[in-house]
Amino acid sequence: KQEVTQIPAALSVPEGENLVLNCSFTDSAIYNLQWFRQDPGKGLTSLLLIQSSQREQTSGRLNASLDKSSGRSTLYIAASQPGDSATYLCAVYAGGTSYGKLTFGQGTILTVHP
Amino acid sequence: GAGVSQTPSNKVTEKGKYVELRCDPISGHTALYWYRQSLGQGPEFLIYFQGTGAADDSGLPNDRFFAVRPEGSVSTLKIQRTERGDSAVYLCASSRTGEMGGYTFGSGTRLTVV
Repeated sequence: KQEVTQIPAALSVPEGENLVLNCSFTDSAIYNLQWFRQDPGKGLTSLLLIQSSQREQTSGRLNASLDKSSGRSTLYIAASQPGDSATYLCAVYAGGTSYGKLTFGQGTILTVHP
Repeated sequence: GAGVSQTPSNKVTEKGKYVELRCDPISGHTALYWYRQSLGQGPEFLIYFQGTGAADDSGLPNDRFFAVRPEGSVSTLKIQRTERGDSAVYLCASSRTGEMGGYTFGSGTRLTVV
């Protein structure tokens, strides 16, 4: 059974810092991996999707890397801003008969203070 | 509509009661997913619909949980004889068939069983 773990569980940083969120998964046979953002009382917003054949994806100040063989992904946030405060979730998709079912980590709660 | 709509946004019910949670997916999205998110955890898969049929209901925790999608659009998640452990945020997501990563999540229904 696939298990996804995110470290740290919570992170508090001053504005302007670069930071890294970590995600690990136990079964390397994945089709893709996604990073989501969740604001309080809101649904999930997809930030980056990395296919299993890719090593990284970038969007603005966000960069996600994937090392499928070691079962790890990192989300790098450059020059953090208070508006980045949210819960960040990673999720893996196994493909095949998984029919789009995602397995999520428990999330990292990020607080960026001015 | 422009996004996935879930109603109600909040539901408080007494232990033992029956509840229904509704999800309106994006028009034209044939795939629909229900997830459950407990406090401090990532979402956990419950059930996946492709059109009107449940293609994968392996995440439903027990036979008190049931979901329908009679016309291939709106879906209702039904919980009988609610228990305090059912308290969670229930999230719905939709996507076009085969569009892996093209999920749109609703804001969720926060269910509290007292």
